Amino acid sequence: DGGITQSPKYLFRKEGQNVTLSCEQNLNHDAMYWYRQDPGQGLRLIYYSQIVNDFQKGDIAEGYSVSREKKESFPLTVTSAQKNPTAFYLCASRPRRGYNEQFFGPGTRLTVL
Amino acid sequence: KQEVTQIPAALSVPEGENLVLNCSFTDSAIYNLQWFRQDPGKGLTSLLLIQSSQREQTSGRLNASLDKSSGRSTLYIAASQPGDSATYLCAIEHSGGGADGLTFGKGTHLIIQP
Repeated sequence: DGGITQSPKYLFRKEGQNVTLSCEQNLNHDAMYWYRQDPGQGLRLIYYSQIVNDFQKGDIAEGYSVSREKKESFPLTVTSAQKNPTAFYLCASRPRRGYNEQFFGPGTRLTVL
Repeated sequence: KQEVTQIPAALSVPEGENLVLNCSFTDSAIYNLQWFRQDPGKGLTSLLLIQSSQREQTSGRLNASLDKSSGRSTLYIAASQPGDSATYLCAIEHSGGGADGLTFGKGTHLIIQP
């Protein structure tokens, strides 16, 4: 099946720890995105990558880091510098910027203990 | 900066009714507008994508319209069913430079009563 997978579904982190969220796609899409969703809020863009080995900050990149070493994979690390990391994290991809719809993964819910 | 507003924030209607969800945006420089559905605790499912040059798109019981000049889009759901209960999100892809990615509204939480 073609699609976007995210793991884990639920993640618990102690304060001061870094954690990495996985996002994989087998759709052969060039562009990949990370969004954060808080209760009652729309999604906000954290980071995006339009091509392998390149990525750009979105609206709320502070306290997060990413890498794009392979076309299929775009992991997100939530660092200890992120002050309020508890949220629902969604990964998306699409063929390229412009006139294409974005497809979303099932999400990872991160809770800081 | 692009801002997206969805009205109403919540809506509850009896099964079988036709209904309209509204989305407004502040900057008409857009590539496209996309409507999504989100079930509780799940990811987003794309419903309809309207390119900036288009006026509307239809898929089954769903019809979405776009009026760039007034900064408005509507999602029309015909003959609503309990399975339509979900949160509906409107998102804009801005074409005026800057970051890639979508700008989202906060959503309309829809409940269809059996």
